[in-house]
Formats: sequence, structure tokens, C-alpha cells
Amino acid sequence: SQKIEQNSEALNIQEGKTATLTCNYTNYSPAYLQWYRQDPGRGPVFLLLIRENEKEKRKERLKVTFDTTLKQSLFHITASQPADSATYLCALDASGGSYIPTFGRGTSLIVHP
Amino acid sequence: DGGITQSPKYLFRKEGQNVTLSCEQNLNHDAMYWYRQDPGQGLRLIYYSQIVNDFQKGDIAEGYSVSREKKESFPLTVTSAQKNPTAFYLCASSTFGGERYNEQFFGPGTRLTVL
Repeated sequence: SQKIEQNSEALNIQEGKTATLTCNYTNYSPAYLQWYRQDPGRGPVFLLLIRENEKEKRKERLKVTFDTTLKQSLFHITASQPADSATYLCALDASGGSYIPTFGRGTSLIVHP
Repeated sequence: DGGITQSPKYLFRKEGQNVTLSCEQNLNHDAMYWYRQDPGQGLRLIYYSQIVNDFQKGDIAEGYSVSREKKESFPLTVTSAQKNPTAFYLCASSTFGGERYNEQFFGPGTRLTVL
């Protein structure tokens, strides 16, 4: 069956460092991958989308990579700030070409001042 | 301001009661969705609708019902048949058709607690 894996353990880093979050998937051939940010008690907010034919996408301090051979996406936040502390969700389009993304469980990021 | 709203933010229900969660959007999006999120879990799709007067079951539709009478509105009813309804419910909308890699816009969520 299809599976999306994000590290369930929280990632703790110091302010100013680069945070790297991982999204692995199995039994998928996604056409795209999305990353969302979710703060406690609130709805997710879209951050970035990367397509299968793209290796890397950047937006301000954010960078996403997509390796379809490794079946993995990495999400980087450079020069991290305490305000970046949140849960980050990856989402892939479901097998069969559905336009509805399937979400991972998310990884909590905690940036310490 | 364009956006998607959900009400109420907190909802308490007694066992055996049906309850309806509201979701409204003014983004002119064709597609709307309902997700359920449990602690430490990902978002699970309950129902979705691509167009007015049409909707499809998601992965966990049992015990839920929806309607889509207006483009802007997609209410979710949690029925007494839902065995474990306590959860955080999220409504989302997106464009549909054409570019299919569409981002989803989420509402603020409704936290439902069954007493």
C-alpha cells in the first residue's frame, strides 16, 4: 500500500542553523509534492510545490528537493528563527493521478533562541 | 479579504447526537474538502466535492454526511453512527481542473469533543 513517512520525532535546532526535514514515500510515483506549515490548533498553510521533473525549488529561506529515485523530498529552512517553530507536513498526489493530495503525519520543528 | 471560514471553533456534543460543522469560502474555488486530524496523525480525507450538487466519499466517510448546495458552502454532519468523532476537523478548498497540482487553502478548523 502507499505510504508517506515523516520523522515523528521533533527536530530541535538552534536559531540561525539550517533545519532539514525529510519526507519519504513508498509505492508511489507522485507527479508533485507539496509542503505545508501547521501551527498548533490551526489549519495548514501551503508553502511550496515541486513537480516530479524538478530537482529543487526555492522560496526566500525555504528550499525543497525532490529525488524520485530515492523517493524522498528534503525541506530546508535556512537561518532558522524561533518563529519557524511549527509542524511541517508533506503531501503527495495519490496514485492514479488523483488531484487530491495525501498528507504525511508531519514533523514538529522547534527552533531554540 | 478572501478566505475560508469554519464555525464553530469548538464544539461539544453528547453521544447519540448529530452535529453539523460549517465551512464557507469566498475564494471562488470549485473544489472543497473535509479532513479529520487526530493527535499525531496526518490528515484523513472524509468527503470532497468538485462541483455544486456533487460530492465523493474519501477514505473515512462512514458516519459522516455532506451537502454542496452552493459553491461557497460545504457543511459536514457528524452523525451518531460515527464511533469515534472526537477530533480536529479541517475544511479546505482549491481550484479544480487545468493545472491539477493545486494548493489547498485550509480553514482554521473545528475541534469537536464528544462528552
